[in-house]
Amino acid sequence: EDQVTQSPEALRLQEGESSSLNCSYTVSGLRGLFWYRQDPGKGPEFLFTLYSAGEEKEKERLKATLTKKESFLHITAPKPEDSATYLCAVQEGGGNKLTFGTGTQLKVEL
Amino acid sequence: SAVISQKPSRDICQRGTSLTIQCQVDSQVTMMFWYRQQPGQSLTLIATANQGSEATYESGFVIDKFPISRPNLTFSTLTVSNMSPEDSSIYLCSVGGTQGNTIYFGEGSWLTVV
Repeated sequence: EDQVTQSPEALRLQEGESSSLNCSYTVSGLRGLFWYRQDPGKGPEFLFTLYSAGEEKEKERLKATLTKKESFLHITAPKPEDSATYLCAVQEGGGNKLTFGTGTQLKVEL
Repeated sequence: SAVISQKPSRDICQRGTSLTIQCQVDSQVTMMFWYRQQPGQSLTLIATANQGSEATYESGFVIDKFPISRPNLTFSTLTVSNMSPEDSSIYLCSVGGTQGNTIYFGEGSWLTVV
């Protein structure tokens, strides 16, 4: 059975303090690894899809990387508006189902 | 990206009643999905809504409890039947993107069963 584990569960950063969120996974045949941002009271907002080890994608202050066992979401010089829950999900080859981790709740303070 | 509208956005329901959630997409999509997010937990796939055929349900979810319709390529409904407090969750509609392997979510329907 696919498993996705995210760490830490919660992270508090000062504005400008860069850090990384981790998503480790176990899946037989990765089709894609997804990152989402979820604000309170809203649905998940799509950020990235990664497909193979070594792949990297960037969007503003966020960069996602992928290895054969885990993915990192690097946040460079975060701002308070980056505060949200970041969700990781995996999609197994041949299927469309996303299996989600429990998320990392990020709070960026002034 | 697809624009996904869900109705209702929020509701308080009486135990034993049923509620139908609507999902409308601004473009034709092949894949539509329904997820549940229980309080403090992550998202779990309920079923894949197939256009022109019955929905495909994940383990632990059954059609009698969560009947789904998909009359066309832009619309789907999820009914939560005979609700109990354990059904209090966010229900999310999701669609496959038209550009690459992207999957988008609606804003969710927050149901509280009392």
